[in-house]
Amino acid sequence: GAVVSQHPSWVICKSGTSVKIECRSLDFQATTMFWYRQFPKQSLMLMATSNEGSKATYEQGVEKDKFLINHASLTLSTLTVTSAHPEDSSFYICSAVTDRGGNQPQHFGDGTRLSIL
Amino acid sequence: GENVGLHLPTLSVQEGDNSIINCAYSNSASDYFIWYKQESGKGPQFIIDIRSNMDKRQGQRVTVLLNKTVKHLSLQIAATQPGDSAVYFCAEKRVGSGGYNKLIFGAGTRLAVHP
Repeated sequence: GAVVSQHPSWVICKSGTSVKIECRSLDFQATTMFWYRQFPKQSLMLMATSNEGSKATYEQGVEKDKFLINHASLTLSTLTVTSAHPEDSSFYICSAVTDRGGNQPQHFGDGTRLSIL
Repeated sequence: GENVGLHLPTLSVQEGDNSIINCAYSNSASDYFIWYKQESGKGPQFIIDIRSNMDKRQGQRVTVLLNKTVKHLSLQIAATQPGDSAVYFCAEKRVGSGGYNKLIFGAGTRLAVHP
C-alpha cells in the first residue's frame, strides 16, 4: 500500500521550455503532497507543500512563479518548471501523506530527473 | 537551507557486520523522526520511525534509538547485507506555516557493504 507514482521518470529538454511533472497517489487519497529537489550527492530540499484544493505553500527562496504547483484532486499534484534553464536541472521528488496533521511517514515517488540543455 | 545534520558522510562495513548510522537534530521540540533509505536513481523508502515519547524502536533487522537529551538519533542495521548499500537519511518533523507537518532531511550517509 501507499504507492506514489511520478511521471515522467526523466526528461531532457531545451532551455526555455516549460516542463510538467505529475505525482499520483495510486492507492490512497493524499490530502497533502510535497515537492522536493535533490542535487547529486546532496539531501532532499523541500520546495513546497501542496494541499488539495488550495494554494501551495512555498519554502523560503523558492520562486512560486517559476515552480507552479497544482493539486486539483486528492490523488494528483503537478509541478511545472516554467522557462527551465540549465540551473534547474535536478532530481525532483514528490511525496504524499493522508493526514497533514498526524505523525506518519511521507511516501515518496521514484523521482523525475530533469536535464535542461 | 535548514537540515538535520549528519556527521559521517560514508560508512563502509563488511557483510554480516552491524552498521550504525548517526544523526543529530536541532529542534528540541521535534516529536517525530523517520529514517529513509535511498537507492541510486530512486525516491526515499521508509525504513522506520519513532515518536519522541520513545527511546527505542525495533523493526526487522533495524533499530532506531532516540536520545532527546543530546538530540541524537541513530539507525542500527543488524547483519548488514549487500542489499543494504544505499544512502540513509534521517528526517525530522517540523510544523510549517499553515499548521501542516513537513520533514527536514539530514545530509545523508552512504552505506557501502563489502563482501
